[in-house]
Amino acid sequence: AQSVTQPDIHITVSEGASLELRCNYSYGATPYLFWYVQSPGQGLQLLLKYFSGDTLVQGIKGFEAEFKRSQSSFNLRKPSVHWSDAAEYFCAVLNYGGSQGNLIFGKGTKLSVKP
Amino acid sequence: EAGVTQFPSHSVIEKGQTVTLRCDPISGHDNLYWYRRVMGKEIKFLLHFVKESKQDESGMPNNRFLAERTGGTYSTLKVQPAELEDSGVYFCASSPQGYYGYTFGSGTRLTVV
Repeated sequence: AQSVTQPDIHITVSEGASLELRCNYSYGATPYLFWYVQSPGQGLQLLLKYFSGDTLVQGIKGFEAEFKRSQSSFNLRKPSVHWSDAAEYFCAVLNYGGSQGNLIFGKGTKLSVKP
Repeated sequence: EAGVTQFPSHSVIEKGQTVTLRCDPISGHDNLYWYRRVMGKEIKFLLHFVKESKQDESGMPNNRFLAERTGGTYSTLKVQPAELEDSGVYFCASSPQGYYGYTFGSGTRLTVV
């Protein structure tokens, strides 16, 4: 069965520092991968997605993610974190066993930003 | 364009009561999904509508949950009777047919006491 693992439950970084959030997936073929962010009081917002092609994907708010098949990973990165990036981040994979569009999510990583 | 709207944003009910959550998808989006996040756990799929038809309800926890989508527009998720373990945040998402970029609502936080 497909699964998504986000190993870090909570990460704290200083404002201006770089950020990398880890995501590992389990699926035999090329997955459709997503990163979502949930800011306090808000819904889930799509940051970026990977379906095929260039393995380095650019998203909104200065985020990028790199698909690495050999490591079954899709880590999210940002070169310089802003205080407004404090939120919870979710990695997800499209569930090929389900109906069109069924997503399988990781448990999320909560990001805190120190001034 | 308006986003996906969910209401209420919060609901606190007693065990045994009935609660109905509502989701208004983006106009024209055929696909509508319900997900739930129980505290400390993953966001999990509940069910999927294509227009007014249930495409996949494999994630529905039990028969206390009933989802409908009237005329292929808004959807409701009714929990009757509510149990303590039903507490969590219920998300709705929508997407156009054939497109894998879902727009999520802000969620309804349900607390059963």
